[in-house]
Amino acid sequence: GAVVSQHPSWVICKSGTSVKIECRSLDFQATTMFWYRQFPKQSLMLMATSNEGSKATYEQGVEKDKFLINHASLTLSTLTVTSAHPEDSSFYICSAIGLAGGETQYFGPGTRLLVL
Amino acid sequence: AQSVTQLDSQVPVFEEAPVELRCNYSSSVSVYLFWYVQYPNQGLQLLLKYLSGSTLVESINGFEAEFNKSQTSFHLRKPSVHISDTAEYFCAVSDSLNQGGKLIFGQGTELSVKP
Repeated sequence: GAVVSQHPSWVICKSGTSVKIECRSLDFQATTMFWYRQFPKQSLMLMATSNEGSKATYEQGVEKDKFLINHASLTLSTLTVTSAHPEDSSFYICSAIGLAGGETQYFGPGTRLLVL
Repeated sequence: AQSVTQLDSQVPVFEEAPVELRCNYSSSVSVYLFWYVQYPNQGLQLLLKYLSGSTLVESINGFEAEFNKSQTSFHLRKPSVHISDTAEYFCAVSDSLNQGGKLIFGQGTELSVKP
């Protein structure tokens, strides 16, 4: 139980294009999803907290107009990287917490984005 | 503000040897502590967690960690490692459970188990 998927797992795009990454909770409903960014050999940095039906809360320094987050249902959150540039190349990981709340975040497998 | 420090960025060890991955935190409130493991090109998997109660917590694959409030530490240990334990290990802290508290991660420790 408590499986989180991400799609796509890999994406390569040209500079200036937009890329959408999906995060799904497969066997539970998630009121809260988190989006992280991880550079090679570094830790996870929280980008934003996404609550179903409301606007995402972004961490300081994260451009909300560049990283659009939508949490339209209890099982799906999307992250759209708009007008991507090479410096946006990174590993993006989402996590989810179930309806019952609690302490455990379940992580997706991550999406590797390469912007050429 | 909370912070997590993992004192070792890389820990090389031979198979069947014991290992300790160190984690220290700072916080002005009660904390909840986690260890996550990340295999190459994968997301994070929860290894073990401390919420309350017994300060010694164990995972199903032989790892254990002890919450030491006076030393603000949550070190991860395993008495005998396997090749398959090679991975990146992250210590994390949260101070809120009810609303899905944000996790603050340490820098990670790369455990490399050699034959």
